[in-house]
Amino acid sequence: DIVLTQTPLFLPVTPGEPASISCRSSKSVSDNDDGNTYLDWYLQKPGQSPQLLIYMLGYRASGVPDRFSGTGSSTEFTLKISRVEAEDVGIYYCVQRIEFPLTFGPGTKVEIK
Amino acid sequence: EVQLLESGGGLVQPGGSLRLSCVVSGITLSRYGMSWIRQAPGEGLEWVSSISGSDSTTYYGGSVKGRFTTSRDNSKNTLYLQMNSLRAEDTAVYYCAKGWRRLPHDYWGPGTLVIVSS
Repeated sequence: DIVLTQTPLFLPVTPGEPASISCRSSKSVSDNDDGNTYLDWYLQKPGQSPQLLIYMLGYRASGVPDRFSGTGSSTEFTLKISRVEAEDVGIYYCVQRIEFPLTFGPGTKVEIK
Repeated sequence: EVQLLESGGGLVQPGGSLRLSCVVSGITLSRYGMSWIRQAPGEGLEWVSSISGSDSTTYYGGSVKGRFTTSRDNSKNTLYLQMNSLRAEDTAVYYCAKGWRRLPHDYWGPGTLVIVSS
């Protein structure tokens, strides 16, 4: 199974400041046939279901503010928030969809300082 | 508007069975792959199962393979998760989500809580 690790696991942030979360995969999640990288990012706000932020490495989901961006390679990925807002608190998960079993990272808890 | 609503959770004894349902509205279920994803109390997300949209091929995580079965009734726009031989470690909130290996999980239900305990 593909193992995803995230750093940091806890991230205190200051509103208005940038923030970034890293995710690393134990193997490539890029498809050589279609060229896509099957790595998504989700945010689970307190008491809510997860919501899709970024899919296929760098595509923002519908309605997601442009302060969120995703970049990376076939094994290392970064979610960046250009200017953190109070509503961005919660747990961020990366997930790979290149193969079954789909696997999630352990999550990064983001809180306001 | 796409909406998913799970039901069927509850308290069950170890070794027991439970069937979860997920009613989907706003899309034609048969056109999309769907997944079940769970979250144990205070823990992270764990993929449980997916079913393809094209031919309803099913896929399972190692911890549930052989015990859980995912199916769909396209006429009712409903996804199911039949859970047998339940264990304490199956205790979790179970989410259904639109999406699978080739599609991101862009819509999620609110989840239904399953507690396996004597």
